[in-house]
Amino acid sequence: EAQVTQNPRYLITVTGKKLTVTCSQNMNHEYMSWYRQDPGLGLRQIYYSMNVEVTDKGDVPEGYKVSRKEKRNFPLILESPSPNQTSLYFCASSLSIGAGRGYTFGSGTRLTVV
Amino acid sequence: GDSVTQMEGPVTLSEEAFLTINCTYTATGYPSLFWYVQYPGEGLQLLLKATKADDKGSNKGFEATYRKETTSFHLEKGSVQVSDSAVYFCALTNSGGSNYKLTFGKGTLLTVNP
Repeated sequence: EAQVTQNPRYLITVTGKKLTVTCSQNMNHEYMSWYRQDPGLGLRQIYYSMNVEVTDKGDVPEGYKVSRKEKRNFPLILESPSPNQTSLYFCASSLSIGAGRGYTFGSGTRLTVV
Repeated sequence: GDSVTQMEGPVTLSEEAFLTINCTYTATGYPSLFWYVQYPGEGLQLLLKATKADDKGSNKGFEATYRKETTSFHLEKGSVQVSDSAVYFCALTNSGGSNYKLTFGKGTLLTVNP
């Protein structure tokens, strides 16, 4: 089944403890992206990647890192999480760059930083 | 920059009622327009899309027409069901940049009562 898989689904952590949220897609998609969803703000892009070893900042990159060493994986790294990073995170992928292409989303990771 | 404005929710309807969720956008160039749906506890799913002016996207009884003259992409359904209860997001991607990120509206919660 074609899908984007995120892990974990739920995570509670403490301020400053490094964590990684994994994202993997099995569709050979070139384009991958991370979004965070917050009440009243909708979804905002954190980082994106157009292909292996090509990543760039989205609208809200502060406090996050990403890497794209393999085409299928695009982990989101929080080196020193803070409470304002408590949010619902979504990974998304698309076959290639193209304004008309839809994205496939993962099921989300709900992160709480205390 | 690009932006999407959709009607504030929540929207509560009875089963078989007519649904309209308004969406307007601001963008340079020639954006592609999308409606995504998020069922409780799940990720976003592409509902329908339109890539150029006057295109009509349709899926599962939902429709939306790309109106360039009014910069709108309103979502409609003639007869809603309880299973349509979800959050609906209007979004666009724009060929004017290299990112092709999805710019989302804030979402509209729809509740359909039996």
